[in-house]
Amino acid sequence: AQKITQTQPGMFVQEKEAVTLDCTYDTSDQSYGLFWYKQPSSGEMIFLIYQGSYDEQNATEGRYSLNFQKARKSANLVISASQLGDSAMYFCAMRDGIQGAQKLVFGQGTRLTINP
Amino acid sequence: NAGVMQNPRHLVRRRGQEARLRCSPMKGHSHVYWYRQLPEEGLKFMVYLQKENIIDESGMPKERFSAEFPKEGPSILRIQQVVRGDSAAYFCASSRDSNNSPLHFGNGTRLTVT
Repeated sequence: AQKITQTQPGMFVQEKEAVTLDCTYDTSDQSYGLFWYKQPSSGEMIFLIYQGSYDEQNATEGRYSLNFQKARKSANLVISASQLGDSAMYFCAMRDGIQGAQKLVFGQGTRLTINP
Repeated sequence: NAGVMQNPRHLVRRRGQEARLRCSPMKGHSHVYWYRQLPEEGLKFMVYLQKENIIDESGMPKERFSAEFPKEGPSILRIQQVVRGDSAAYFCASSRDSNNSPLHFGNGTRLTVT
């Protein structure tokens, strides 16, 4: 079974600094997908970025990039030039390996606080 | 271009009552997923549905919980005889297909059982 581990319960970062949120995963599947979602205090889940296991390049979306190290089974989220609005919970998730399904397994999350 | 719509946003039920949570997927999406989030935890998969079919309900509790996605109308997650442990945020997500297109989540329904 897939498992996602986020080892940082909370992080505090100064505004405008870059921040890396850690995510490691465990799977025996060759084909899988990795996702990051942001959950602000208002509670909604916002999709940030996706990385497929066969993608050769690291995914990027604006200020978000995914540092994908397949051999180490890590998929860290990097946020460049952090902003106060980045304060939120961040969840790493993996698509379950069952073919034709989008069942996601989520980590416990990291609470990011950006200080002015 | 409405996203995934869930209602109600907040729902309060007494122990023993029924809770009905509704989800309308994004336009053009025919795959619906329900997830539950307990306080300070990540989301946990409950059930995956397509129109008129339950595809995977491996995350659903065996009793009191049911889900449907009829041909017409929203998907419904139904919890009968609610207990305090059912208090959580329930998220619905939809996708266009069953491949790697990302899931789009609704804003969730926060169920409180008193």
